[in-house]
Amino acid sequence: QSALTQPRSVSGSPGQSVTISCTGTSSDVGNYNYVSWYQQHPGKAPKLMIYDVSKRPSGVPDRFSGSKSDNTASLTISGLQAEDEADYYCCSYTGTYKFVFGGGTKLTVL
Amino acid sequence: EVQLVQSGAEVKRPGESLRISCKGSGYSFTNYWISWVRQMPGKGLEWMGRIDPSDSYTSYSPSFQGHVTISADKSISTAYLQWSSLVASDTAMYYCARRGGTDYFYFDDWGQGTLVTVSS
Repeated sequence: QSALTQPRSVSGSPGQSVTISCTGTSSDVGNYNYVSWYQQHPGKAPKLMIYDVSKRPSGVPDRFSGSKSDNTASLTISGLQAEDEADYYCCSYTGTYKFVFGGGTKLTVL
Repeated sequence: EVQLVQSGAEVKRPGESLRISCKGSGYSFTNYWISWVRQMPGKGLEWMGRIDPSDSYTSYSPSFQGHVTISADKSISTAYLQWSSLVASDTAMYYCARRGGTDYFYFDDWGQGTLVTVSS
């Protein structure tokens, strides 16, 4: 099972929007609406930001949104804030009780 | 409050065995899978495998199958990740993570991580 493909880095200025892509295959992202996104600050455990492609857990700002088209999922962060600077990982269910993560994207807020 | 509390950092020699733990509290331990996730220094997250504590059924990523063993003791609400013979490339932070619930496929709570260092 190969890791999902994410850009290594993205950046944006405060107030702007950024989108992080996550490309898989028809066996994972394309086959299940079970893509989740995690935010990880340095030295911290990951935090769930989006699940089931586009749902937000309680407490996650509505600036965070998710979508999917075919084999590619996307996380969009609008109204960038300094505290959004972190690493972001996508994750997809692959069937038979297994999962795969993306390689991670470093978001820099300029 | 849901909590996953992991055991402390470990320093081991190559060839040694190791078991790290993840204790769940604040919820019904047998109702939620526990997954283990590796993060090598400066690298990304890798899903290693998972266990259903209700029946100890496990599944592993092909990348980790045969190299680690995941187990659980539901009587003490604890999941384990075990190596029989460590190698230097096992040096990493290891997280346990709770599945969101039956029919859910995401990880809603995470442990604080256990740093494993393997060095001669």
